[in-house]
This record gives sequence, structure tokens and C-alpha cells, in this order.
Amino acid sequence: AQSVTQPDIHITVSEGASLELRCNYSYGATPYLFWYVQSPGQGLQLLLKYFSGDTLVQGIKGFEAEFKRSQSSFNLRKPSVHWSDAAEYFCAVVFNNYGQNFVFGPGTRLSVLP
Amino acid sequence: EPEVTQTPSHQVTQMGQEVILRCVPISNHLYFYWYRQILGQKVEFLVSFYNNEISEKSEIFDDQFSVERPDGSNFTLKIRSTKLEDSAMYFCASRQGDYGYTFGSGTRLTVV
Repeated sequence: AQSVTQPDIHITVSEGASLELRCNYSYGATPYLFWYVQSPGQGLQLLLKYFSGDTLVQGIKGFEAEFKRSQSSFNLRKPSVHWSDAAEYFCAVVFNNYGQNFVFGPGTRLSVLP
Repeated sequence: EPEVTQTPSHQVTQMGQEVILRCVPISNHLYFYWYRQILGQKVEFLVSFYNNEISEKSEIFDDQFSVERPDGSNFTLKIRSTKLEDSAMYFCASRQGDYGYTFGSGTRLTVV
């Protein structure tokens, strides 16, 4: 069955440090891949998305993600974290044989130390 | 940039009451969705809607739930008799083609 995993429930980094949030999926083909960010009590903001083509995708707020087909992964990265990046991050996947509906990962909560 | 608009942003209702959550999708989008996020948990798919009918629904979307597109612009989610466990953030989304997914900012429903 299709699934999305985010192995890290909570990550803490220092401001200015680099960041990588992991996302893996289980699917026989290439799905559509997304990263969303959610501040407490707020809605979902799209950071970036991948459908096809260049496997390194640039998003907003200095984030990027790399699709690795061999690892079924779509990890989110940022070279230098800012305190305002503290939030919950969700990987989301559209499996093309699943009615084009999103399947969200469980989320990774990012804390940023001053 | 076009937005999906959800109203109200926060609704408090008494257990057993009916509640209607409203969404205005992007005008040229054809596919509409409702998702739910219980506090502290992941976002879950509820239902998808296309061509004036439900195209898919999850196990969560039982007989207490219904959706409607009453006119050319609104897309509503009705919960007939709310339960405490219906307290959650509800997100509407719309899509055009394969790429144009857009989520609304959500309605926080609190059942007391």
C-alpha cells in the first residue's frame, strides 16, 4: 500500500546551522511530491513541489528538496536555518493511482535554538 | 495569486449541533477536496468532489458528513451531528489538472 514516512518526529537545530528533513514514500512509480510548512494554529503553506524533470527543486524561503528515485525519498534541505523557520513540516505525496488525493506524512516539528 | 478561501476561520459548536464549513475554490478549478487535521496529528483526506459528485471518500467520511456545491462558487462540508472527536482543523483544497493544487487556510472547528 502507498505510504509516506517522515522518520524524525522532532528536530532541533541551532540558528545558522544546516537542516535536512527526511521523507520517504512507498510506491511503484514516481508520485507527485510536496513539502508544506505549518506554523502553530495556522494553515498549510506550500514550500515546493516536484512532478518531473530536474530532481533538485528550489522553493520559497531558501528551501530546496531533492528527489531520489532509487531511495524513494524527497528530503528537504536548507543551508542556514533562521529562527522563523521553527514550525511543523509535512511531506505530502499524490499517488497517481489514488485519485489524485494527497497522502500526508506524520510531520516533523522543527525547533530552532538561538 | 489566486487563493482558496475558507470561512469561518474558527467555529465553536455544541455537541450534537449541525455545522457547515464553507470554501470558495479557485474559480477555474474543477476538483475539490476536504482534509482534516486533528490537533497534533497529520492531515487526513476526507473526500474529493468532481463534476457535482463525490469521486472518492475515506473511512472518516461517514454518514454524518456531506458535501455540496450549492452554486457556482461555494463548496461546503456539513457535519450533521457534531461529536467531540470532530474537533479539528478542516482544510479545503482545489485543483486544476495535475499540477494546480491549492489549499485554503483552514477552519478550526471546536466542538464543546
